[in-house]
Amino acid sequence: GQQVMQIPQYQHVQEGEDFTTYCNSSTTLSNIQWYKQRPGGHPVFLIQLVKSGEVKKQKRLTFQFGEAKKNSSLHITATQTTDVGTYFCAGSSSGSARQLTFGSGTQLTVLP
Amino acid sequence: EAQVTQNPRYLITVTGKKLTVTCSQNMNHEYMSWYRQDPGLGLRQIYYSMNVEVTDKGDVPEGYKVSRKEKRNFPLILESPSPNQTSLYFCASSFTGRSYEQYFGPGTRLTVT
Repeated sequence: GQQVMQIPQYQHVQEGEDFTTYCNSSTTLSNIQWYKQRPGGHPVFLIQLVKSGEVKKQKRLTFQFGEAKKNSSLHITATQTTDVGTYFCAGSSSGSARQLTFGSGTQLTVLP
Repeated sequence: EAQVTQNPRYLITVTGKKLTVTCSQNMNHEYMSWYRQDPGLGLRQIYYSMNVEVTDKGDVPEGYKVSRKEKRNFPLILESPSPNQTSLYFCASSFTGRSYEQYFGPGTRLTVT
């Protein structure tokens, strides 16, 4: 079945440093979503990417979808302590658009 | 307030004792889904439903049942729970249009002894 690998599993950064997490799928995706989960909380939707090569920005967050629609990344510029949490990507294939496979997540710690 | 609710939030039970975790949403979403979250494994989809009376298996459906008799409710049923079903469970819902933005419930922490 479809697999989505996400790296790194953990990342510690000093406040103000940049952060990037990467997702790679074993199959071509129809779309990819990104979620953030704060410690003890539930996942919160950040964004959805659909088009090949798509780049979207939300303030300090930049999301990319690869040309082959098999990989994606989330980049945070100048991290803040409010960025702490686990970031997940989730992809679905064209065959079953609502069967979602999540990456294992990247747990971000921001040191003040 | 738009929300997804789950009950119970915490449950400790014994092997083999049937249980149901309820999920309800007030946003008139067609799509609903159940996930389990285990350390190091992220979220894994158990079942999902595109609308009333339409359900499909996710990646890890074994040992679980669901039903979708009403649009707002999507209960998760464990007929004979086992210790390997100890996990954190999330229900989520969304519209079925172009955006797949899912709204998650607060989670149910289940322990099976």
